[in-house]
Amino acid sequence: DQQVKQNSPSLSVQEGRISILNCDYTNSMFDYFLWYKKYPAEGPTFLISISSIKDKNEDGRFTVFLNKSAKHLSLHIVPSQPGDSAVYFCAALHQGGSEKLVFGKGMKLTVNP
Amino acid sequence: DARVTQTPRDKVTEMGQEVTMRCQPILGHNTVFWYRQTMMQGLELLAYFRNRAPLDDSGMPKDRFSAEMPDATLATLKIQPSEPRDSAVYFCASGLVLGAYSGNTIYFGEGSWLTVV
Repeated sequence: DQQVKQNSPSLSVQEGRISILNCDYTNSMFDYFLWYKKYPAEGPTFLISISSIKDKNEDGRFTVFLNKSAKHLSLHIVPSQPGDSAVYFCAALHQGGSEKLVFGKGMKLTVNP
Repeated sequence: DARVTQTPRDKVTEMGQEVTMRCQPILGHNTVFWYRQTMMQGLELLAYFRNRAPLDDSGMPKDRFSAEMPDATLATLKIQPSEPRDSAVYFCASGLVLGAYSGNTIYFGEGSWLTVV
């Protein structure tokens, strides 16, 4: 059973526009969420995170929004750049509980020049 | 620049052989994860440790996989005997997980690319 779901396998956007990557989760015990970016032949790189006590966290061009009632989070990249082209993974954690870091299957973002 | 170090980067082995992958977590981190990446399953959690104690290895095929942390600077993942279906990229990750709302961050190594023929 997939507890963290990234339902769109890919997204293509134009440089300078907004990229919105979505993630849904089913386990209501998750209380900390992370986004990772992965280039080919490299390990996932931490991008941004959010605790369940917040609904938004911003870091430069990257903003993560959390909607706990809908069990949904999204990553916004504004403006998108060609270097953002990578696979993005959403991950969730239950702190103080099992503390397993569970990942979605990833979504490939392509930013076209 | 602290980072998670994994060896080997690439390994090609014959079916039935033993394979050992090693990971050096970032100094001071209390949690180590082993993941396997495949096209079909994405990033699957195999096992993880907190303060060197195994917390969960339910994601591992028990009959052939084993994970250990002989000391704070080394985590190992062993496959014996290896099978072609084990071909994947194996990632180690480490982090300082302190509990609720503490801004945990978990860092990955570059992965060990295993091919079993």
